[in-house]
Amino acid sequence: SYELTQPLSVSVALGQTARITCGGNKIGGKNVHWYQQKPGQAPVLVIYRDSNRPSGIPERFSGSNSGNTATLTISRAQAGDEADYYCQLWGSSTVVFGGGTKLTVL
Amino acid sequence: EVQLVESGGGLVKPGGSLRLSCAASGFTFSSYSMNWVRQAPGKGLEWVSSISGSSNYIYYADSVKGRFTISRDNAKNSLYLQMSSLRAEDTAVYYCAREANIVDFDYWGQGTLVTVSS
Repeated sequence: SYELTQPLSVSVALGQTARITCGGNKIGGKNVHWYQQKPGQAPVLVIYRDSNRPSGIPERFSGSNSGNTATLTISRAQAGDEADYYCQLWGSSTVVFGGGTKLTVL
Repeated sequence: EVQLVESGGGLVKPGGSLRLSCAASGFTFSSYSMNWVRQAPGKGLEWVSSISGSSNYIYYADSVKGRFTISRDNAKNSLYLQMSSLRAEDTAVYYCAREANIVDFDYWGQGTLVTVSS
């Protein structure tokens, strides 16, 4: 079965750029989506199809996908960006989520 | 405004059954595939099942195949998850989620907690 690998945690200084990676075999050939989840809340879609932002998501959120790695980039990180982030894709009749990355804003 | 409201969670003994519901509003329910996604306490997201708008296509995670059944009633704008032979490891918050065009989930409910314990 297809697996997605995310770092358990990423830290970023306030106002700097955070990058969260999602590794998978030839993931660059798949559509990758990203979700933000804050404690006690449902996940929120922040990036779909590798690099597209839903309405209402700040331009500070961007995504890329190539080779074996997809990346969620959060520019000018704010305290409110502190959350768990999950990558996700559809593969072989199943939905796959990455294990999640906890983003800490210092 | 799109709204998804889950219900039916609770405490159930191992081996027991439970039926979850998700009431949808604010969009043409029959036009969208719907999914169940769960999250065990302190753990990550785990996809459970998917059903197409006309119920023609249904998929399950291996972990629930043969025990859970997804269904929908488009006349009632409702999604269901019938869970049987429940195990402790099924303990989780269960979310229903609307599937957009490319199997991304653009709207989520607030979740309903299922606890499997004796």
